[in-house]
Amino acid sequence: AQKITQTQPGMFVQEKEAVTLDCTYDTSDQSYGLFWYKQPSSGEMIFLIYQGSYDEQNATEGRYSLNFQKARKSANLVISASQLGDSAMYFCAMSFYNQGGKLIFGQGTELSVKP
Amino acid sequence: DTGVSQDPRHKITKRGQNVTFRCDPISEHNRLYWYRQTLGQGPEFLTYFQNEAQLEKSRLLSDRFSAERPKGSFSTLEIQRTEQGDSAMYLCASSPRLARDTQYFGPGTRLTVL
Repeated sequence: AQKITQTQPGMFVQEKEAVTLDCTYDTSDQSYGLFWYKQPSSGEMIFLIYQGSYDEQNATEGRYSLNFQKARKSANLVISASQLGDSAMYFCAMSFYNQGGKLIFGQGTELSVKP
Repeated sequence: DTGVSQDPRHKITKRGQNVTFRCDPISEHNRLYWYRQTLGQGPEFLTYFQNEAQLEKSRLLSDRFSAERPKGSFSTLEIQRTEQGDSAMYLCASSPRLARDTQYFGPGTRLTVL
């Protein structure tokens, strides 16, 4: 079965500190991509970062980095130097290249950044 | 702004009515995806197009749902005889060409069925 699991329904972090959002996945496919999206209260899904299953280096995009551990099937998102504007829902998602690229999402983690 | 756009942003309708949503993808993006998101859940895949061809439909997409993408540009999602269980956010996303390409989402259409 193909599944994404986010075990943290809610997280709190102090402004300017780093935070890790957990994501584990289950698949027997070899070719897939892992994504993180941010969804503010307005509802729009904002792309943050991507990691391909064959990429050897962890992906980084500004303050976002993806801690990819293929053997453990985990793809945790690390946000450094949290800002108040980071408060939002965060979704981990997986796509399969042989299935048209459709995304399978986790349940999401609600991050609250405290001043 | 050349992002994905969706219209309307909000729709309130009575049970049994038909509704239609529109999605305009990023220019020259070949792939277009529809997802549905209910409260407190992650989005769920509904269907996708490559150019004008609809290549996959989820089992979530009952016979009351139909999607089109004439000429491979904008797409419409129609729900006939709406039910209260159809209340959700309907999200559209587009990606350039390949299955591995990143999908960029529109703002969504929030449907409320009374």
